[in-house]
Amino acid sequence: KQEVTQIPAALSVPEGENLVLNCSFTDSAIYNLQWFRQDPGKGLTSLLLIQSSQREQTSGRLNASLDKSSGRSTLYIAASQPGDSATYLCAPRMDDYKLSFGAGTTVTVRA
Amino acid sequence: DAGVIQSPRHEVTEMGQEVTLRCKPISGHDYLFWYRQTMMRGLELLIYFNNNVPIDDSGMPEDRFSAKMPNASFSTLKIQPSEPRDSAVYFCASTSPPRPQHFGDGTRLSIL
Repeated sequence: KQEVTQIPAALSVPEGENLVLNCSFTDSAIYNLQWFRQDPGKGLTSLLLIQSSQREQTSGRLNASLDKSSGRSTLYIAASQPGDSATYLCAPRMDDYKLSFGAGTTVTVRA
Repeated sequence: DAGVIQSPRHEVTEMGQEVTLRCKPISGHDYLFWYRQTMMRGLELLIYFNNNVPIDDSGMPEDRFSAKMPNASFSTLKIQPSEPRDSAVYFCASTSPPRPQHFGDGTRLSIL
């Protein structure tokens, strides 16, 4: 069973600082990995999908790296803004199409 | 394009009642997933379908839970009879691999 750990559980930073969110998973035989954000009372918004053959994926201020062999992914958010405040979830996918979720990192960006 | 649409957004009912949650996936997506989110257990996959056929229901907690997908644009998750421990947020998601999964806004279910 895939186990996903996200560190830290919570993070509070002043506006403008760069964010580094870590995700580790126990089974490295993943097909891809998705990063999501979840706002309070809302569903999950897909941020980035990184295939197992890729080392990183970028979208605007977001960059996700993947080290499949060591079971790690990192989400970088550059120049954070108050609107980045949310919970960020990492979800590796196995060949059976199932996503396994970590507990998330709750980010607060202070204005 | 419309996203995944779930209804109702909120449901409050008494223990023992039947509950039906509904989902309309994104048009063209051939995979549909039902998840449950609680503070204690986080996000858990309950069941998923491919081309309207259930593929894996190993996450369904008990026989009180059932899910159907009668056509490509509609799925239901039913709980009968409901219990207070079923209180959670239930999400539906869809995808057409290798694209990302897209989630609905969820149904917040409270069983009194």
